[in-house]
Order: sequence, then structure tokens, then C-alpha cells
Amino acid sequence: DIQMTQSPSSLSASVGDRVTITCRASQSISSFLNWYQQKPGKAPKLLIYAASSLQSGVPSRFRGGGSGTDFTLTISSLQPEDFATYYCQQTYSTPPWTFGQGTKVEIK
Amino acid sequence: EVQLVESGGGLVQPGGSLRLSCAASGFTVSSNYMSWVRQAPGKGLDWVSVIYSDGSTYYADSVKGRFTISRDNSKNTLFLQMNSLRAEDTAVYYCARVGNSYGYGYWGQGTLVTVSS
Repeated sequence: DIQMTQSPSSLSASVGDRVTITCRASQSISSFLNWYQQKPGKAPKLLIYAASSLQSGVPSRFRGGGSGTDFTLTISSLQPEDFATYYCQQTYSTPPWTFGQGTKVEIK
Repeated sequence: EVQLVESGGGLVQPGGSLRLSCAASGFTVSSNYMSWVRQAPGKGLDWVSVIYSDGSTYYADSVKGRFTISRDNSKNTLFLQMNSLRAEDTAVYYCARVGNSYGYGYWGQGTLVTVSS
């Protein structure tokens, strides 16, 4: 099975900061990489699919990049509503389609 | 409007069984890939299973042989039959619709399964 490793596991940032989260796959997954945001007690929300495509309705401050094994999620200017936990997920080839362990973005 | 509503969670003893349901509206379950994802209390997301539109099914190693994903086309509903439940299966279970580019664009609100004696 493909393992997904996110870094960091948590980070503290201020409103307006640029934040980058990294996700690494244990083997090449082309661009089959999704990013989700989850707030406490809520279902995850899809932000980015196919590594760099912005889901409809998601603010343009969210940007995904990368291919192969290394991927990034960048928030260009952190807003109060962006404090949450972020997960990557690979959907390459035959399942299982695994998630990263999550990155919690907290207020500094 | 796309909507997914899970039900069937609850408290069950170790070794017991439970069947989760996910009622869909606004789209046809059988024409889409549908999936289950779970989240143990205070933990991250854990992929469980997927059923393709052609009926193919796949499972995480941790549930293979114990869980079965299925659908009822007449009721437009997805199911997860869970047998031989263990304490480590305790989690909120979400159903989700898989989009054309394999992103999970729609999720239910989740249903809590607690396995405890």
C-alpha cells in the first residue's frame, strides 16, 4: 500500500501569514492527490483535487502543487476561518486510497 | 442538491455486527464511485472502502474479510456491513461520493460507531 506522510504535523501561524504544508508519497502517484480541510465536529471538505485543481467555491488563496511523490498545499494569506486540520489523500490506481496523518494549523 | 445522510451507528459489543446506511439524494449512487472513511476519536482520517459504478469493491487491509460495502439501487442507498467488530473500529464513519477526478467532493455528516463491552 502507498503511504502518505505530511509535514509538519502541526504549525502555529498568524492571520496574513503564508503557510505551506507538504505531503510525500511512498511511491509515485502522478497527480492523483487531493487536499481536504476539516474543522472540529465537521466532515472534511475537498479543497484541491488532482494535485492542483481548485474545487468549486474554494478561495483562490489555496493552491496545490507537485507531482510524482512530493506535493504542497499553500495558503497564500491565512484567514481566521482557515484554522483547521488539513489532510492529503492519494487516489492512484487500485485502492486502498490512503490519507496522510494530518496537519493542524493553529493560531499563533 | 447533493445530500448524503448516514445512519445505523451506535454501541455494539466486541465481536458484534452493525450495518451502516448512507441515503443519497440529488444524484444516482449506482452511477458513481462511493466510499466509506472513518475517524477514530481525536485521530486522523482512515480510508475504509470503495465501490465502483461497475460494482467492484475494495477494502483497507484492517477491515478486509470483516466489512462489506454494497448498495441498493432502488433505494439509492449505500451500505457498510460490519462484522466481528473490534474496539479499534470505534470511529465516526463517513460516506462520500467520489468525483470524476477522484476527489471526495461530497460527504455525509457521519455516524458514530462505538465498540465496547
